[in-house]
Amino acid sequence: GAGVSQTPSNKVTEKGKYVELRCDPISGHTALYWYRQSLGQGPEFLIYFQGTGAADDSGLPNDRFFAVRPEGSVSTLKIQRTERGDSAVYLCASSPGVYNEQFFGPGTRLTVL
Amino acid sequence: GENVEQHPSTLSVQEGDSAVIKCTYSDSASNYFPWYKQELGKRPQLIIDIRSNVGEKKDQRIAVTLNKTAKHFSLHITETQPEDSAVYFCAARFSGNTPLVFGKGTRLSVIA
Repeated sequence: GAGVSQTPSNKVTEKGKYVELRCDPISGHTALYWYRQSLGQGPEFLIYFQGTGAADDSGLPNDRFFAVRPEGSVSTLKIQRTERGDSAVYLCASSPGVYNEQFFGPGTRLTVL
Repeated sequence: GENVEQHPSTLSVQEGDSAVIKCTYSDSASNYFPWYKQELGKRPQLIIDIRSNVGEKKDQRIAVTLNKTAKHFSLHITETQPEDSAVYFCAARFSGNTPLVFGKGTRLSVIA
């Protein structure tokens, strides 16, 4: 079956702009996670959803970052007033439940010029 | 919060030799320890995982061992092949409803 998909695969934007990154989880997976991976580092947790609600958003670095999952499936990570330090690969993962294996998407490479 | 340390950061082995990557974690209540393999430009993929009620788990050439007392776990790859070359990440989870905390990764190079 289809795995986790993310769009766009690459996003180049200018400092100060707003961006949206989309994640389509595996059908039926109730848990969805967003991570950020900088070069040479492991994935760093940002936020996760159980269904439609954000169960833990403690990893969001500041209030410029926000994520939604209105229907419990697709999720969008929104970054306002982007900064050069936001440049990274943003990974999404989903799992059947919070106790299960997480399946990762291919990521969106965000570059802020 | 949970902290995961991973060593070494780079590892080169000859084809056919074994490779061992070690991780330590800080929270003794952590109960789930997956290992992910990430090839260049690709997504992380789970290769093996272990839960805290088990000391060792093996899947063909890959094995993971867990020492709860010492709070460390290791990945063992035997009979390494060039296609094993990748970055490997360990992770730990404190409880079912908390996120994974990842190590910084080990770049494994298998030299033919």
